[in-house]
Formats: sequence, C-alpha cells, structure tokens
Amino acid sequence: AQTVTQSQPEMSVQEAETVTLSCTYDTSESDYYLFWYKQPPSRQMILVIRQEAYKQQNATENRFSVNFQKAAKSFSLKISDSQLGDAAMYFCAYRSAKGTYKYIFGTGTRLKVLA
Amino acid sequence: DSGVTQTPKHLITATGQRVTLRCSPRSGDLSVYWYQQSLDQGLQFLIQYYNGEERAKGNILERFSAQQFPDLHSELNLSSLELGDSALYFCASSHHRGITDTQYFGPGTRLTVL
Repeated sequence: AQTVTQSQPEMSVQEAETVTLSCTYDTSESDYYLFWYKQPPSRQMILVIRQEAYKQQNATENRFSVNFQKAAKSFSLKISDSQLGDAAMYFCAYRSAKGTYKYIFGTGTRLKVLA
Repeated sequence: DSGVTQTPKHLITATGQRVTLRCSPRSGDLSVYWYQQSLDQGLQFLIQYYNGEERAKGNILERFSAQQFPDLHSELNLSSLELGDSALYFCASSHHRGITDTQYFGPGTRLTVL
C-alpha cells in the first residue's frame, strides 16, 4: 500500500524569504500523480500544485515550485517570497494513475509566516 | 470557489444520532469522493462514487453509508454517532474523464458529536 510522509509538523519562515516543505512517499507503481494542497484557517482545501510522475520537469506555479526526485520518492514544495497569506497547513497527496484515483494524504505541515 | 458545494457547514448532534451530509459536485463531474479529517490530521479516504455507482471503499465504518443520485449529488449518512466521529467531512469531485483528473474539494462539513 502507498504511504505519504511529511516529517515536519511545523515550519516557520520570515516574510519574503523562501521555505521548503518536505514530503516522501512509498509506492511500487511507476505511474502516479503528486499534489500539494493548502488548507488555510477556513479549512478549505486549495490545490497548490501537481506533478505527473512521468514528467521529469518540475512543476511550477508562480511562487510555488516542486523538487520531484522520483528515484528517491521525494516531492518537496518550495515557496518563494513568502507572504502572510501563505500561512496554512500544507498537505502532500499521492494518487495512483490506475484504480480508484483516491488521494492518500500525508499528516500535514503547519507553515507560519513571520512579519 | 471550487464549484463543489456541501451542506450543512456545521452540524452539532448527540451520540447515538444519525445525520446526513450532502454534496453537489462541480457541473459535469461524474465522480464524488468523501474524506474524513479528524483534528488537525490528514484526510482519510472514505468512499468514492462514479456516475451513481460505488467505485471504491476506504476506511469507512459500517455505521456510515453513502449514495450518489441520478443528478450526481451525493449524501453521506452517519448513524449511531460516537464522540470519535467528530471531524471535518470533505467531499471532492472530478470529471473522471481520464487519469489526469484533479479532485476539487468542497468547503467541508464540520460535525460535532456531543
């Protein structure tokens, strides 16, 4: 069975600085998708970025980028020029490319942004 | 706004009771997923429906059941409620057009069992 691990329960970053959130996963599959979701205090789950495992190029969305290391089964999220609005829980999620397409989530990292 | 709606937003009830949570997927989406998030934990997959039929089950208790109706909205029924059922329940939808589909989440229903 697939698992997703986020080993950093909490991280802090100074406003305008860069922070990296870690995520590792375990799978025997070769085709899958990885996601980062943001959950602000409103509790809404907001998609931040997604990565297809078959793509070697790391995904980027504005200030958010990932470092996808398939062999190491690592999928970290880098937030550049951190803003106060980035403060939230961040969840890493795995989805198989076959079967039910359900998401398997990590336990989350709480990001605090310091003014 | 993801386009997925969930009602009610909040629900407070007593142990032993039964409640129904409702989800309307995004227009055109055929798949509905239900997840449970207990206190500051990750989301746990409960069940998936595709075009009215149950597609997959996760860690869903026998006291819980769900269905998807012809108009594609879905309901999650929780019965014989226990204190430990207090959680945030999310619904997500995807078109399921292909394997590249991303799930879009509703705002969640916060259930409190007293």
